[in-house]
Amino acid sequence: QVQLVESGGGVVQPGGSLRLSCAASGFTFSSYPMPWVRQAPGKGLEWVAAISYDGSNKYYADSVKGRFIISRDTSKNTLYLQMNSLRPEDTAVYYCARVRFGQLYGYMDVWGKGTTVIVSS
Amino acid sequence: DIQMTQFPSSLSASVGDRVTITCQASQDITNLLSWYQQKPGQAPKLLIYDTSNLERGVPSRFSGGRSGTDFTFTISSLQPEDIATYYCQQYANLPITFGQGTRLDIK
Repeated sequence: QVQLVESGGGVVQPGGSLRLSCAASGFTFSSYPMPWVRQAPGKGLEWVAAISYDGSNKYYADSVKGRFIISRDTSKNTLYLQMNSLRPEDTAVYYCARVRFGQLYGYMDVWGKGTTVIVSS
Repeated sequence: DIQMTQFPSSLSASVGDRVTITCQASQDITNLLSWYQQKPGQAPKLLIYDTSNLERGVPSRFSGGRSGTDFTFTISSLQPEDIATYYCQQYANLPITFGQGTRLDIK
């Protein structure tokens, strides 16, 4: 079945780095744009970054621009989020998702269960 | 950025009630709006896309509509399993933005 599974979350000190992974299965990964969406504790959803189906286009929220890098490896059916210079306000559950239609963005029809990132000293 | 103003922020209703949530877009997004349901400890789930199209497998008591830049999400007859937080999302322009969420519980 169609599935997304995130991993790589954990506790990291401010200024540190972390790389999240999202393993896709059950669909043609290379055909879909993929975003990361996060949710801080007790807060709403925040779209973080997105990558086009072929990896040629990327877009970042202002809150993470210059610190986070989104990428994908079609041979491994895996989406990544490299997070650098982490701040306490980056603490959140990070979800990867699939965009059903479009080049880079749209509505998200499949979501992973999320991985938790805690930035704290 | 397109701002999505969602209200109410919380809502308490009885089983069988008709429930409506509204999202106002700060500019024209045509019909490029979706609605998600999120239960505690779970990922969001797509319910409606393109303003009024019901996702496959979603009960028909859920519906969506639009009047200009005002979008509505309706549950025609609230069921106990509908207890969740609901979010709207615009995908007309980057950055993608969500409404603040509406927490729905049973009275």
